[in-house]
Amino acid sequence: KQEVTQIPAALSVPEGENLVLNCSFTDSAIYNLQWFRQDPGKGLTSLLLIQSSQREQTSGRLNASLDKSSGRSTLYIAASQPGDSATYLCATIQGHSGAGSYQLTFGKGTKLSVIP
Amino acid sequence: GAVVSQHPSRVICKSGTSVKIECRSLDFQATTMFWYRQFPKQSLMLMATSNEGSKATYEQGVEKDKFLINHASLTLSTLTVTSAHPEDSSFYICSATLGKGAQGYTFGSGTRLTVV
Repeated sequence: KQEVTQIPAALSVPEGENLVLNCSFTDSAIYNLQWFRQDPGKGLTSLLLIQSSQREQTSGRLNASLDKSSGRSTLYIAASQPGDSATYLCATIQGHSGAGSYQLTFGKGTKLSVIP
Repeated sequence: GAVVSQHPSRVICKSGTSVKIECRSLDFQATTMFWYRQFPKQSLMLMATSNEGSKATYEQGVEKDKFLINHASLTLSTLTVTSAHPEDSSFYICSATLGKGAQGYTFGSGTRLTVV
C-alpha cells in the first residue's frame, strides 16, 4: 500500500525567502505525481502535475521535481509571498484495480506560513 | 482549465436527516468522479469512486448504504449522507477527471457538514 510522507509538517518563513517542501513515497510504481494547495476550509487547487517520465515541471515561481526511483518529489517556491500561506499536499497517482481507474494517495501536507 | 463546482459549501442538519451534496464538472465531461472525506488536520481519505452510469466503488470501511453516490450524467455526481449522525460531521470534497485519472485531478471547493 502506498504511503506518502511530507516533511516538514509545518514551516514558517519570512517573506521573500526561497523554500523547499519535501514529499516521499514508498511505492515507486507511480503514473504521475500532483502537487496541490489547500486554503483553510477550502477545496484543493492543482499546482503542478509531473508525469513519471518527467523530472520537473515549472509554473511561475513554483518548480516541482520528481525522482521516481528514489521515491521523492520536491516543491520549490521562489521569493515567497504572504499569499503563498496555505497547506501544500502532494499526491501520487497509481493504478487502482478495484475501481478500474487511477487513484490518488495523499500526504498529510505541509502547512506554510509566510510572514510579511 | 477544468472547473469542478461543489454545493453546498456548508450545511447544518439534524441527526437522522439526510443531506445531499452535488459535484459538477462545468467545462468537461467527467467519466470518473471521486468523493473524499477530510478530518481536521488530516489528509484526504478516498471514500468512493463514481463512474457515470454504473454503481460506485466504495473503499474498505465505507458504508455504501450510509453514503449513497449517484453519477447519473457525465457532469454530475451526488453524495447523499443518509440518517446523519454527529460523527458524520466532516469536510467532504469531490474531484473529477477526464478519462480514468492519469492526467491529473480537479477538485471541488468542499462541503462542511455539521450534524447536530
